This record gives sequence, structure tokens and C-alpha cells, in this order.
Amino acid sequence: GAGVSQSPRYKVAKRGRDVALRCDSISGHVTLYWYRQTLGQGSEVLTYSQSDAQRDKSGRPSGRFSAERPERSVSTLKIQRTEQGDSAVYLCASSRKRGTGGGYTFGSGTRLTVV
Amino acid sequence: GQQLNQSPQSMFIQEGEDVSMNCTSSSIFNTWLWYKQEPGEGPVLLIALYKAGELTSNGRLTAQSGITRKDSFLNISASIPSDVGIYFCAGREETSGSRLTFGEGTQLTVNP
Repeated sequence: GAGVSQSPRYKVAKRGRDVALRCDSISGHVTLYWYRQTLGQGSEVLTYSQSDAQRDKSGRPSGRFSAERPERSVSTLKIQRTEQGDSAVYLCASSRKRGTGGGYTFGSGTRLTVV
Repeated sequence: GQQLNQSPQSMFIQEGEDVSMNCTSSSIFNTWLWYKQEPGEGPVLLIALYKAGELTSNGRLTAQSGITRKDSFLNISASIPSDVGIYFCAGREETSGSRLTFGEGTQLTVNP
């Protein structure tokens, strides 16, 4: 399809386990962001990457969150040693324009529940 | 990190009424964006504002950024039931690259 798709839609993980969330962005999009959205709060940036960067540039340095981009239109957000506070909706957003704040297309999100 | 203060947190209105919500910040955002998010979906961009004082309409939606670039509002006229959802403001600071900062959201409920 023409949109950003995320999988899985729902994920339940036991505390302490690692999880991987996938994002298939739009072909040709350069910039990709991962956001975490918590009920009643705004969304916070976890990490972002430019397609021509060999490594992701983390917008929010954290030892437990990392993103890989094996292909330009695919990104995997990895969360190590999950905590209950990681329960949230994780949104992937991509843009075809480099370095701009507008024109992002969001996926439907993955709802992660850590038990 | 930088935060956007969005208000009101929730609104319950009758179909046909007009709605207004706003966001303020202590810092300057050179881009203001308004998104709508429905249950189980990601945010969808409604309106983008790139200049100070810019006023832009999209159907029944109107948004404007303040002259100081520290605030923005969104108006919805003649609301209909399908306007139900969470509306988020988002801003981009000049120094933050392409990273967006989101407001906490306004939950809108429209009673038919």
C-alpha cells in the first residue's frame, strides 16, 4: 500500500524480555522517526534515522532503545529488558523530505503491553 | 525536553457547534502542525503552518500560528459526529532538526 505500516498491531511481552517492532515506511521516504505515545500524554521521540546514514542517530539516547534500518523503507525498533513503563503505543513516522518537520506520514502504531 | 501545553484536555460538544483548541510554548517553533488521531490509528496531518501569523484553512478546519511563534490554535466549525477523535498540536524548533514535539492532545466528543 501507499501508507506506513507497522507490525504487529498488538504485542504483549513479559517484563524483562526483549521486543522488536517493525515499520515499513513509504518507498522514497528519507527520514524515519519512532515515537512513543502514552495515554494522556504527548508523544515523545525515541529515535530517528536518515536513509543515507549507516547508523541510526538516536534522538533520545537510551541503552534499551535502538533502531535498525536494514533497508531504506524498513526499520525495526528494539527494546531490551522491557519494563512496565514501556507499555505504550509506538508510532513510526516517515517523510520524503530531509530535515523538515511537516509532511510526516504515521503508521497505525503498535500497542505494547508489558506484564 | 521542550513541551507544548495543549488545552483543553477534553471537550464535549453538540453537533453543529464550533470548537477551538490551542497550544502554547515557552520556546519558538518555526513550524506548527495539527494532527487528528482516531482510535487504533496513527495521527493524520490536518494543517501545517510554516510562517509566523500564518492562517490556513482546510474545509471546516482553520489553524493559525501566533506572531511570536509560541502558540497556535485550531478551530473546527459546524462540528459533525465524525470529528470525534484526539487532536494533537506539534511543533518543530529551528534547532531540533526535523524532530517534532507534541502536545498532550485534546479529546473531542461530538454528541449528535
